[in-house]
Amino acid sequence: AQKITQTQPGMFVQEKEAVTLDCTYDTSDQSYGLFWYKQPSSGEMIFLIYQGSYDEQNATEGRYSLNFQKARKSANLVISASQLGDSAMYFCAMREGWVEVTSGSRLTFGEGTQLTVNP
Amino acid sequence: NAGVTQTPKFRVLKTGQSMTLLCAQDMNHEYMYWYRQDPGMGLRLIHYSVGEGTTAKGEVPDGYNVSRLKKQNFLLGLESAAPSQTSVYFCASIRGTSTDTQYFGPGTRLTVL
Repeated sequence: AQKITQTQPGMFVQEKEAVTLDCTYDTSDQSYGLFWYKQPSSGEMIFLIYQGSYDEQNATEGRYSLNFQKARKSANLVISASQLGDSAMYFCAMREGWVEVTSGSRLTFGEGTQLTVNP
Repeated sequence: NAGVTQTPKFRVLKTGQSMTLLCAQDMNHEYMYWYRQDPGMGLRLIHYSVGEGTTAKGEVPDGYNVSRLKKQNFLLGLESAAPSQTSVYFCASIRGTSTDTQYFGPGTRLTVL
């Protein structure tokens, strides 16, 4: 079974509007972390935002916020005031368990959502 | 502080050839990882290391070997390359605490003909 599901292969948004990228996850662990990465056409992986399973507040980083709904196992990324430079592939990823030697803090990635910002 | 670097950036191999990809980090991180990314897909973990001298298998380890003789370096080897190993390879590292995010290298684009 897929552990990270991103159901939107492609999304389009107008410049200056907000957009939500969906991510649902599956885990039986109580302790886990959720990450969002951006991959522009140049190919590098850029960390955007992190949410721990015990964090009570939704994470925010500038124009990025994570809408964390634990009971629904969803961790959607919200980008406010979209910019042309936001056009990229976005990946949701999960780390199960705490960082420890046995688990190695491995990340499982979704298949990504290609976001296009139109002028 | 260079972060995570990968050598080479591009490589073309013929089926059956061997090669080694080098990942280096200067952040004194304990944990290092090798991922592959196929077109239109997310990253999949090949092998990882939780410290110098240790390695472990990830999700897709077949056809690859790794070594971590020095803390700052993590090598990925292909003994006999196959076209199915055509991919972009990313290395990543973390310090080793609960809220760590993985720092990624720029990637190596490998084509096997």
